[in-house]
Amino acid sequence: KAGVTQTPRYLIKTRGQQVTLSCSPISGHRSVSWYQQTPGQGLQFLFEYFSETQRNKGNFPGRFSGRQFSNSRSEMNVSTLELGDSALYLCASSIGTPGNTIYFGEGSWLTVV
Amino acid sequence: DAKTTQPPSMDCAEGRAANLPCNHSTISGNEYVYWYRQIHSQGPQYIIHGLKNNETNEMASLIITEDRKSSTLILPHATLRDTAVYYCIVRVVMNYGGSQGNLIFGKGTKLSVKP
Repeated sequence: KAGVTQTPRYLIKTRGQQVTLSCSPISGHRSVSWYQQTPGQGLQFLFEYFSETQRNKGNFPGRFSGRQFSNSRSEMNVSTLELGDSALYLCASSIGTPGNTIYFGEGSWLTVV
Repeated sequence: DAKTTQPPSMDCAEGRAANLPCNHSTISGNEYVYWYRQIHSQGPQYIIHGLKNNETNEMASLIITEDRKSSTLILPHATLRDTAVYYCIVRVVMNYGGSQGNLIFGKGTKLSVKP
């Protein structure tokens, strides 16, 4: 059974640009969350989607957005990139029922120059 | 803020048991204890979780104290591949579907397994 798949794995962007990251959850999983990991702030929750609806949101500016498609695949977008957005972005999926386990992908490494 | 406290680092000899402690003195009755680990540059890997009973799977054992204020993750025979940052997380398990809830990560314990 394939795990959570994230693309691209590595990318470099310039300040002011925007970026879109993609996540394919484990087959059958309907809930997808996104996390940002930086050396200074550690792992922080960005947002969660279930059935194409945002269910929870972390404390990040509006430049960070996401969406989920009918097949549960999800994308996150960061607009007007800043140097501080350089981070590992992690996607996590779960079935979405009570008590289910959350599984993480390998992440997308974003470097903003 | 994370609701758990873990030592920043620990060492363990290869082949010996690694016992990683976690304090969660403010845990609520509907909160589970979850353990994940993260090997450098990879996504967090789920290890085990429990509510109040001890749990064991193919990777590890989880011992939760009777008052649930602390727990210990046990890797019975640590190998060099177990070198990672281990995160202890308390998580509210929703009573309804449609949300997996967010995990609040602390700084974790960096476990170094030495030959």
